[in-house]
Amino acid sequence: GDSVTQMEGPVTLSEEAFLTINCTYTATGYPSLFWYVQYPGEGLQLLLKATKADDKGSNKGFEATYRKETTSFHLEKGSVQVSDSAVYFCALSVQMSGGGADGLTFGKGTHLIIQP
Amino acid sequence: NAGVTQTPKFQVLKTGQSMTLQCAQDMNHEYMSWYRQDPGMGLRLIHYSVGAGITDQGEVPNGYNVSRSTTEDFPLRLLSAAPSQTSVYFCASSQTYQGYEQYFGPGTRLTVT
Repeated sequence: GDSVTQMEGPVTLSEEAFLTINCTYTATGYPSLFWYVQYPGEGLQLLLKATKADDKGSNKGFEATYRKETTSFHLEKGSVQVSDSAVYFCALSVQMSGGGADGLTFGKGTHLIIQP
Repeated sequence: NAGVTQTPKFQVLKTGQSMTLQCAQDMNHEYMSWYRQDPGMGLRLIHYSVGAGITDQGEVPNGYNVSRSTTEDFPLRLLSAAPSQTSVYFCASSQTYQGYEQYFGPGTRLTVT
């Protein structure tokens, strides 16, 4: 079945450091890929997405590129802030042959802690 | 727009009790789904619906029922609560499914004793 593997944390960085959170996937079809962020006590919010190979999603200084050849969708940010502290989830959805899709498949989440 | 709303925010049940978690969206989205979030497990899909009157099972459907009588509402029923159902439950909706953003509710934290 479909699966998402991401580095598990916690990941602790200093403010203004460079961030990479690795995400790789296996999928039977042609997935769309997502990064969601969850702040403490809240639901998930979409951070960025990419729907086909070589697409780059970007938002709030975060970027991720859909790499079909390496089945990866790594999240990067050049200079993190304390306000970026949260849990980050990589996820995919695959369109079924009949046109439907059975929701998102999530990685286990990466807890990011940014220290001032 | 209120987006996706969930009630209650917190709930404590005794083993064997039943209850319904409510979920509503006001964005006229076709697709709605329920997930549970457990420590170290990420989110796992319980049930989903691609439109009113249509539901299907996700990865972990046992012990839960759903129905979709209207576009707006997608309640999740726990038939006979068990401690293994202690979790945080999230409802989500999207315009459709493939490639579209899913909007998540704030969650319901359920404890079964």
